[in-house]
Amino acid sequence: SYELTQPPSVSVSPGQTARITCSGDALPKQYAYWYQQKPGQAPVLVIYKDSERPSGIPERFSGSSSGTTVTLTISGVQAEDEADYYCQSADSSGTGVFGGGTKLTVL
Amino acid sequence: QLQLQESGPGLVKPSETLSLTCTVSGGSISSSSYYWGWIRQPPGKGLEWIGSIYYSGSTYYNPSLKSRVTISVDTSKNQFSLKLSSVTAADTAVYYCARAVYDFWSGHYWGQGTLVTVSS
Repeated sequence: SYELTQPPSVSVSPGQTARITCSGDALPKQYAYWYQQKPGQAPVLVIYKDSERPSGIPERFSGSSSGTTVTLTISGVQAEDEADYYCQSADSSGTGVFGGGTKLTVL
Repeated sequence: QLQLQESGPGLVKPSETLSLTCTVSGGSISSSSYYWGWIRQPPGKGLEWIGSIYYSGSTYYNPSLKSRVTISVDTSKNQFSLKLSSVTAADTAVYYCARAVYDFWSGHYWGQGTLVTVSS
């Protein structure tokens, strides 16, 4: 079955830039979405269609795509950004798939 | 403001059918612009897309669950529902309903989620 691969954890200091990658063979053909999930809360969409930012999401969140890898970048990380981040896309048949999640720790 | 609220039993016995409803407020489920979906998350684990439905009734299911899943829509009540049959302990999870704007398998807006435990 199709898999999206994310690093289990990323750590950064406040004010630095965090980059979370997501790799998958079908990413050149399917859009990627990124979700932020804080403990005990529902996921929140932070990036859609690879690089679009929903209204209400801070400008420090951005997304990019290159080949079979998409990247979520958080510039000027703040303590409130500490959370789990999940990428999502689909395989060639249109079945939605999530990455395993990345725990972002703000040191 | 759009709100999605999951409801249903929090405890289901093994081999029985899990049934959940998502009530949509602040927007019409009959809008041609959106899909409506279900996603689940076992305790301490990652997210899994279950399936989605269009207001017309067209459905899209995760092949890994397709034989046990039925998603339906009731436009008169502005609700859509999930049924998962023959449940086991592996189906214990927080179940979320969500609205997708672009790709049917995505989730722009999510409900708060409801924990369903499968146990005798």
